[in-house]
Amino acid sequence: EIVMTQSPATLSVSPGESATLSCRASQSLGTNLAWYQQTPGQAPRLLIFGASSRATGIPARFSGSGSGAEFTLTISSLQSEDFAVYYCQQYTHWPLTFGGGTKVEIK
Amino acid sequence: EVQLVESGGGLVQPGGSLRLSCAASGLTFRNSAMSWVRQAPGKGLEWVSLISGSGDSTYYADSVRGRFTISRDNSKNTLYVLLSSLRAEDTAIYYCAHVDTGTITFDYWGQGALVTVSS
Repeated sequence: EIVMTQSPATLSVSPGESATLSCRASQSLGTNLAWYQQTPGQAPRLLIFGASSRATGIPARFSGSGSGAEFTLTISSLQSEDFAVYYCQQYTHWPLTFGGGTKVEIK
Repeated sequence: EVQLVESGGGLVQPGGSLRLSCAASGLTFRNSAMSWVRQAPGKGLEWVSLISGSGDSTYYADSVRGRFTISRDNSKNTLYVLLSSLRAEDTAIYYCAHVDTGTITFDYWGQGALVTVSS
């Protein structure tokens, strides 16, 4: 099973600043990596697939990068609705696995 | 608009069984791979199972293989999962999710159904 490790566990950011979230895989994934956002009490929302492609309706301030085993999600100019938990997910190998999440909180 | 609506959650004793349903609308269901993803209280996401559009192919996480059974009825646009031999650690919100064509990512999600395993 591929282990996905996200860091940091919690990131404190002021509104308007940018945030950089990391996701590391225990094996190479190519670019088969997705990012999701989850706000309290809500289902997750797909943000990024293919490591860097934004899903439908996702604002341009969300960007993904990376390949192989190291990936990054960058959120530029954080808005109030962006404070949430973010998960990465690999889809190269079965079973599908998620990272443990990064909580982006207001500083 | 795609809508996924789960039902069937509730309280069940350890060792018991429960069937969850997910009614889908706004998509061509028979062409859509579907999945279940769960989230224990205060914890992260865990993929549980996936089924192909035809139902011919199914996949399971090791933690549920042999205890959970995913299925679908394309005539009713409904996805199911039968949860058997339930354990306390199966307590979670179970989300139904549509699998994006071309990748194995989850682009539409239901609101979730809470399953609590406790005596």
